[in-house]
Amino acid sequence: ILNVEQSPQSLHVQEGDSTNFTCSFPSSNFYALHWYRWETAKSPEALFVMTLNGDEKKKGRISATLNTKEGYSYLYIKGSQPEDSATYLCAFTHFGNEKLTFGTGTRLTIIP
Amino acid sequence: KAGVTQTPRYLIKTRGQQVTLSCSPISGHRSVSWYQQTPGQGLQFLFEYFSETQRNKGNFPGRFSGRQFSNSRSEMNVSTLELGDSALYLCASSVTGTGVKDTQYFGPGTRLTVL
Repeated sequence: ILNVEQSPQSLHVQEGDSTNFTCSFPSSNFYALHWYRWETAKSPEALFVMTLNGDEKKKGRISATLNTKEGYSYLYIKGSQPEDSATYLCAFTHFGNEKLTFGTGTRLTIIP
Repeated sequence: KAGVTQTPRYLIKTRGQQVTLSCSPISGHRSVSWYQQTPGQGLQFLFEYFSETQRNKGNFPGRFSGRQFSNSRSEMNVSTLELGDSALYLCASSVTGTGVKDTQYFGPGTRLTVL
């Protein structure tokens, strides 16, 4: 059974502060790591797809890094804004089975 | 381009009944995947359809089934509903469903409550 773990489960951050959270996944047969943002009452929205060890992706104030050898990815948010409040999900795929296995998410609340 | 749509958005059923949920993918997308989310659980993969064929299946009992039509629209059926089937059911579409760059686009979900 493949296990994807995200920490922390929830996080409160003051507006303007930067923050980061972690996704851990099995490192064997790694294929890809996906990050999604899921705002309340909306659909999950794809942020990044990462495949290579050492990969770094950036979208505005949000960035992510990937370490496939040790099986973790970090998501960073710089200068948090209220609109960043959402649940951030990571999902892992491995060779031979390309279905997404999701973590339970990190619920981020930005305090104005 | 219209996004992924799911109907109905909310549904209340009683134990023992059956239910059918519908998903219309983004135009041109041929892969449709279904997920279940219950409190405290991540999105659990149910199954994936591509060109009217089930291509992948998660670890759910046979009461959960699905199909895909020639226009790529998909339906999911749950028979003999149990209280534990109360969940948010999401579908996601993508162009081919394979390959790293083939992003999945999610619908808004159907909230099913079983009484």
